[in-house]
Amino acid sequence: ETGVTQTPRHLVMGMTNKKSLKCEQHLGHNAMYWYKQSAKKPLELMFVYSLEERVENNSVPSRFSPECPNSSHLFLHLHTLQPEDSALYLCASSLDRVGEKLFFGSGTQLSVL
Amino acid sequence: TQLLEQSPQFLSIQEGENLTVYCNSSSVFSSLQWYRQEPGEGPVLLVTVVTGGEVKKLKRLTFQFGDARKDSSLHITAAQPGDTGLYLCAAPQVGGDMRFGAGTRLTVKP
Repeated sequence: ETGVTQTPRHLVMGMTNKKSLKCEQHLGHNAMYWYKQSAKKPLELMFVYSLEERVENNSVPSRFSPECPNSSHLFLHLHTLQPEDSALYLCASSLDRVGEKLFFGSGTQLSVL
Repeated sequence: TQLLEQSPQFLSIQEGENLTVYCNSSSVFSSLQWYRQEPGEGPVLLVTVVTGGEVKKLKRLTFQFGDARKDSSLHITAAQPGDTGLYLCAAPQVGGDMRFGAGTRLTVKP
């Protein structure tokens, strides 16, 4: 138990569906992240929020839309995804943004049909 | 983006054997982290190394940071099936966000 909770653990969706991934942390951390983990590729940083403000978007397609309503919650809204978007989506948090220890959730395994 | 190259990509050994995995880069880092990820879970931090030449031990795991702070190694002594997992190295990029290597997938057979 790392203190970072992600739901759902598994998600299967069609290309025309809209779904959301949820991440929650009660560690008092100020930074939250979304990472994508695909087979045979390194963890890819997608979005970074620091003190609820988005500070980085690594050229992620607009079909992925993050939301950080407060310092404890992070969402990733999904719409019109492609099969190649199938992956493990990991949420992480850290006390502050720069070079800190990352606490990861267990991830959402997403399959796009 | 500063790349981290990990080797080997896959490693399968018998219980009781020793092994070393590597994390290399052409860039100098202020620090480097090692994580282990078990199937169905997120990565969990094992250690952070900061000083060039630093050696840290965590039970049967020995981590070393290169003198030039460009590379690191993880040595496991007398591997056990519980050591099975994906070993990831990570380092802070310009701006501070952590970037990861592709990992070494270790399987320890009983």
